[in-house]
Amino acid sequence: QVKLLQSGAALVKPGDSVKMSCKASGYTFTDYIIHWVKQSHGKSLEWIGYINPYSGGTNYNEKFKSKATLTVDKSSSTAYMEFSRLTSEDSAIYYCASHWFAYWGQGTLVTVSS
Amino acid sequence: DIQMTQSPSVLSASVGDRVTLNCKASQNINKYLNWYQQKLGEAPKLLIYNTNNLQTGIPSRFSGSGSGTDYTLTISSLQPEDVATYFCFQHNSWPLTFGSGTKLEIK
Repeated sequence: QVKLLQSGAALVKPGDSVKMSCKASGYTFTDYIIHWVKQSHGKSLEWIGYINPYSGGTNYNEKFKSKATLTVDKSSSTAYMEFSRLTSEDSAIYYCASHWFAYWGQGTLVTVSS
Repeated sequence: DIQMTQSPSVLSASVGDRVTLNCKASQNINKYLNWYQQKLGEAPKLLIYNTNNLQTGIPSRFSGSGSGTDYTLTISSLQPEDVATYFCFQHNSWPLTFGSGTKLEIK
């Protein structure tokens, strides 16, 4: 069955970067684009962008264009998102999703604190 | 960006009730509207895609309808396990956007 396994929680300092992962299994990794979504504590969901694992092509929400970088490693069926120049506003749960949002990872909690 | 407005923000109903959740888009989204259920501490779960298509494995008490800018999720007979926050989501235009959610509670 389709599974998306995300990396564990991260505690990072303001100004630092964080790179989180999303390992896919149960399907052909290059057949479906991977989306990333942010959920701030107690709030709604924001679409960050997507990456096409086959071509490496990306599409970002303008709001996150200077903040997020999406990459993939086809050899390990893993997608990555790096978030840079972190502030307290970036503290949130980050999800990856595939199959046009039918399948979601369990989320990675990022806490930005000095 | 397309704004998605959900109402009500909180809904309290009794077990067995018919429940209706609303989602209004700021412009026509051509039925490219999904509904998600999110329980506390869990990832969102797809219930309905493209307005009225029930995702595999989802109970038939869930149904969706709508067109243009106005969409509805209906639970025909509310069950205790339906306590959750429900989000609508449009995938008609970039950037993709979610509603702010309706929190569903049991009276």
